[in-house]
Amino acid sequence: DTAVSQTPKYLVTQMGNDKSIKCEQNLGHDTMYWYKQDSKKFLKIMFSYNNKELIINETVPNRFSPKSPDKAHLNLHINSLELGDSAVYFCASSPDRVTEAFFGQGTRLTVV
Amino acid sequence: GESVGLHLPTLSVQEGDNSIINCAYSNSASDYFIWYKQESGKGPQFIIDIRSNMDKRQGQRVTVLLNKTVKHLSLQIAATQPGDSAVYFCAEIEGGSGYSTLTFGKGTMLLVSP
Repeated sequence: DTAVSQTPKYLVTQMGNDKSIKCEQNLGHDTMYWYKQDSKKFLKIMFSYNNKELIINETVPNRFSPKSPDKAHLNLHINSLELGDSAVYFCASSPDRVTEAFFGQGTRLTVV
Repeated sequence: GESVGLHLPTLSVQEGDNSIINCAYSNSASDYFIWYKQESGKGPQFIIDIRSNMDKRQGQRVTVLLNKTVKHLSLQIAATQPGDSAVYFCAEIEGGSGYSTLTFGKGTMLLVSP
């Protein structure tokens, strides 16, 4: 009965590879997000989708491409991974843009 | 006491003490504020929220105070327990008709000693 679930929980990969992180929410929310948390615990919004439409795209390299096949899913695909992409990535969802967001458990990405 | 560590401000308290975690926000147009708790290896979890038309809100063992004049938010935890040890974030949302998202503060680590 997990509300926001993302897979995998850990991902270790080599530089230059392409990888995807999947996210699903069963809360019926319209809005989904991807956040990046760096080594200093700072959480920064990357993307926001509302009903499968991209709403917010912060200054993120175009190697990162979110895909929302339906409003319950928001996957993150990353091309040509770099060392600096190592971080914890959190998926979240909310009923609308002005209420609390519910977060997944995070995916720790390590690029070696 | 409170100290600024290498990366994250840290507040160390004894079990049973009251804890106060502070946050300064930057956007005077923000009208909704949330405190989140993040335990090690987990995602942030909602603790308590407050809208800008209020200056205080109480939950179970937690109280949030909002001072819009100086753009300051605080989280008070009564009778702190070891299970309260975590990183605490304040987050703000700007109102208005456009789309906006939660903007997080830098976080404070709370360490509770038994």
